Amino acid sequence: QVQLVQSGAEVKKPGASVKVSCKASGYTFTSYYMHWVRQAPGQGLEWMGIINPSGGSTSYAQKFQGRVTMTRDTSTSTVYMELSSLRSEDTAVYYCARDGTTVVTPPGWYFDLWGRGTLVTVSS
Amino acid sequence: QSVLTQPPSVSAAPGQKVTISCSGSSSNIGNNYVSWYQQLPGTAPKLLIYENNKRPSGIPDRFSGSKSGTSATLGITGLQTGDEADYYCGTWDSSLSAYVVFGGGTKLTVL
Repeated sequence: QVQLVQSGAEVKKPGASVKVSCKASGYTFTSYYMHWVRQAPGQGLEWMGIINPSGGSTSYAQKFQGRVTMTRDTSTSTVYMELSSLRSEDTAVYYCARDGTTVVTPPGWYFDLWGRGTLVTVSS
Repeated sequence: QSVLTQPPSVSAAPGQKVTISCSGSSSNIGNNYVSWYQQLPGTAPKLLIYENNKRPSGIPDRFSGSKSGTSATLGITGLQTGDEADYYCGTWDSSLSAYVVFGGGTKLTVL
């Protein structure tokens, strides 16, 4: 079925990096943009960035510029989100979320399919 | 501090109707489509409404969306206990800080 399967929970020390994966199945991976959205404990949603799985182009929220890198592997239908220089405020659940429109048009900027989330805990 | 403003909580009895507001500005809601998400406790968000008032396949017509100016509204009729969740609005923003902005979320309690 159509789904996004994310990697497991991570515990990292401040200053380290984390790389979260998101494997797509049940649809043509390169046809839909993919976003990353995070949610700190008890807080709201925060958009991090978008990747076009077809060409690999990315755009990031200004807040994460220089610290986040989104990549994809078309051979395994997987997108990755790497966040560096981690601090305690980065403790959150990180979701991959598929854009509702295909890459032949501009992004729709809404999310019709979500992964279950990956908890990243940053603690010394 | 979220870019879009939602009430922290709303409540209503089973079978009743509730509305959740989402207020923004001309750089976001005023010139772009709004989407709405439902997040049940401990789960990922789920798309309820996109492009202001469209429902994805499988979303019952008890859920509706509208937009006027720089505000949007989610309506839920025939409330059920299973509707208890957090609800978020989202939209594209033309500022340079982030392409997508969300409201702070509204906790719906079905009394």
